[in-house]
Amino acid sequence: GAGVSQTPSNKVTEKGKYVELRCDPISGHTALYWYRQSLGQGPEFLIYFQGTGAADDSGLPNDRFFAVRPEGSVSTLKIQRTERGDSAVYLCASSPGVADTQYFGPGTRLTVL
Amino acid sequence: KQEVTQIPAALSVPEGENLVLNCSFTDSAIYNLQWFRQDPGKGLTSLLLIQSSQREQTSGRLNASLDKSSGRSTLYIAASQPGDSATYLCAVGYSGNTPLVFGKGTRLSVIA
Repeated sequence: GAGVSQTPSNKVTEKGKYVELRCDPISGHTALYWYRQSLGQGPEFLIYFQGTGAADDSGLPNDRFFAVRPEGSVSTLKIQRTERGDSAVYLCASSPGVADTQYFGPGTRLTVL
Repeated sequence: KQEVTQIPAALSVPEGENLVLNCSFTDSAIYNLQWFRQDPGKGLTSLLLIQSSQREQTSGRLNASLDKSSGRSTLYIAASQPGDSATYLCAVGYSGNTPLVFGKGTRLSVIA
């Protein structure tokens, strides 16, 4: 079956612009996670959904970042007024339930010029 | 703050050698521990998941062990191959709120 997919694979934007990153989890997976990975670092947690609700958003760096999962499947990560420091690979993962194996998508490479 | 440390940061070995990658974590109250592989420019592929009640997991040439009391895990790769070249990431999950906490990874190069 299909794995986790993320679109776009690459996004180049200018400082101050708004961007949306999309994640399609594996069908039936109730848990969905967003991570951010900078060069040479491990992924860092941003936000976690259980169903439609954000169970933990403590990793979001500031209020420019927001994520939704309105129907409990697809999720969108939204970044307002992008800054050069937001440049990173944004990874999405899903799992059948809490504490199960997480399956990762290929990521979206965001570059803010 | 939970911290996960991986040693070494990079490793280069000749083909056929057995090798061990190390992972340590500061809080031993973990729910599970997962090893991932990441190829350049790609996402993460799960290799092994060890629940806190388990001591080890095996898949093919890979064996992962877990010692909760000492806050350590090792990933053993037998008879390494050039195709094993990648970055290996260790990640820890904690019960009740389980976003993974990752180490920075070990970059492995297997030379033919």
